[in-house]
Amino acid sequence: DIVMTQSPDSLAVSLGERATINCKSSQSVLDSSNNNNNLAWYQQKSGQPPKLLIYWASTRESGVPDRFSGSGSGTDFTLTISSLQAEDVAVYYCHQYYDTPYSFGQGTKLEIK
Amino acid sequence: EVQLVQSGAEVKKPGESLKISCQGSGYSFTSYWVGWVRQMPGKGLEWMGIIYPGDSDTRYSPSFQGQVTFSADRSINTAYLQWSSLKASDTAMYYCARTPYSSSPGDYWGQGTLVTVSS
Repeated sequence: DIVMTQSPDSLAVSLGERATINCKSSQSVLDSSNNNNNLAWYQQKSGQPPKLLIYWASTRESGVPDRFSGSGSGTDFTLTISSLQAEDVAVYYCHQYYDTPYSFGQGTKLEIK
Repeated sequence: EVQLVQSGAEVKKPGESLKISCQGSGYSFTSYWVGWVRQMPGKGLEWMGIIYPGDSDTRYSPSFQGQVTFSADRSINTAYLQWSSLKASDTAMYYCARTPYSSSPGDYWGQGTLVTVSS
């Protein structure tokens, strides 16, 4: 099974500053047949279901603000929020959908400093 | 508008059976997979598996294989998650999610069904 490990577990960032969350998979999630990384990022606000932000490691879902960006390939990935807004307070999860059983990282709690 | 609407919260006793539902609308229900995800109280997300309502093809996580059953009724655009004998450790929020392909992330999610198992 592929294990997803996020860092840090929690993060406090000032409004307007950059937030960076890392995700490492225990094996590559790169699909060599199409050169896509099967890696997504979700945002979960308190009391709500998860919301898809990024898929294929770097493709923003429709309607997601462009301050959210994803990068990385193979086993190492990053979610960056370029200028933190108050509404970005949430728990963020990475998710591999390369090999079943699909799996999520443990989550990173993002707060305002 | 794509929507997945899940059935309401349940309170059950250990050993009881339960079937919760997820009704899709605003899209071709039989052309997309439906994934199920567990979130235990205060914890992270766990992938349980997926079902393709078009032909009921299912893929279970080994952690949940034999513990739960996925099914779907195409006539009413509804997917189900069921237990034959609940345990206290099944207490959790359960989400369904529309999944475009077997190998893709869930893009639209239900609001969640809270299952509480307590004697």
